[in-house]
Amino acid sequence: AQKITQTQPGMFVQEKEAVTLDCTYDTSDPSYGLFWYKQPSSGEMIFLIYQGSYDQQNATEGRYSLNFQKARKSANLVISASQLGDSAMYFCAMREANRDDKIIFGKGTRLHILP
Amino acid sequence: AAGVIQSPRHLIKEKRETATLKCYPIPRHDTVYWYQQGPGQDPQFLISFYEKMQSDKGSIPDRFSAQQFSDYHSELNMSSLELGDSALYFCASTRGKTYEQYFGPGTRLTVT
Repeated sequence: AQKITQTQPGMFVQEKEAVTLDCTYDTSDPSYGLFWYKQPSSGEMIFLIYQGSYDQQNATEGRYSLNFQKARKSANLVISASQLGDSAMYFCAMREANRDDKIIFGKGTRLHILP
Repeated sequence: AAGVIQSPRHLIKEKRETATLKCYPIPRHDTVYWYQQGPGQDPQFLISFYEKMQSDKGSIPDRFSAQQFSDYHSELNMSSLELGDSALYFCASTRGKTYEQYFGPGTRLTVT
């Protein structure tokens, strides 16, 4: 069963606008972590933001924030004031505490920022 | 700050050949993970090591083997290469059971 679902294969957004990348997840483990990674065309996997299942507040890192809605099993990434350099593939991922530490990735969303 | 180092960055091999990918974790990181990302795919977990012992195993073919050495670097050995093995191979490292996995730049393997 798909653990991480990203329903937007591709998105086009005007520069300087905010963008929300959707992510829903499925787990029965009460302890888990949610991640977002950015993968530019060069291929490297860049860590953006992390949300723990017990964290009370939504995680924020600069222009990135994670809209964590636990009851809905949703962990959307919000990028404020998008920039051309934000054009990349974005992966939502999850780590379950009782399944060792491997990370399970979604299929990704390719974000295109338009000038 | 030091990052995860992977070598080589690019590798071209022919079918049925062998390949060895190397990963040097961030200093003082004791856990290493290997992921395989096929073209247009999401990364898939292969195998992990904690303190030089295999920790978890994913969808790693029997043709592949890996180990972690005393200096914590890891090597992924791939034999009888197939065209379908062409992919980007990532190594990631963490210290203990911390939440964040730091990814290396990846090794792009092309099998012809």
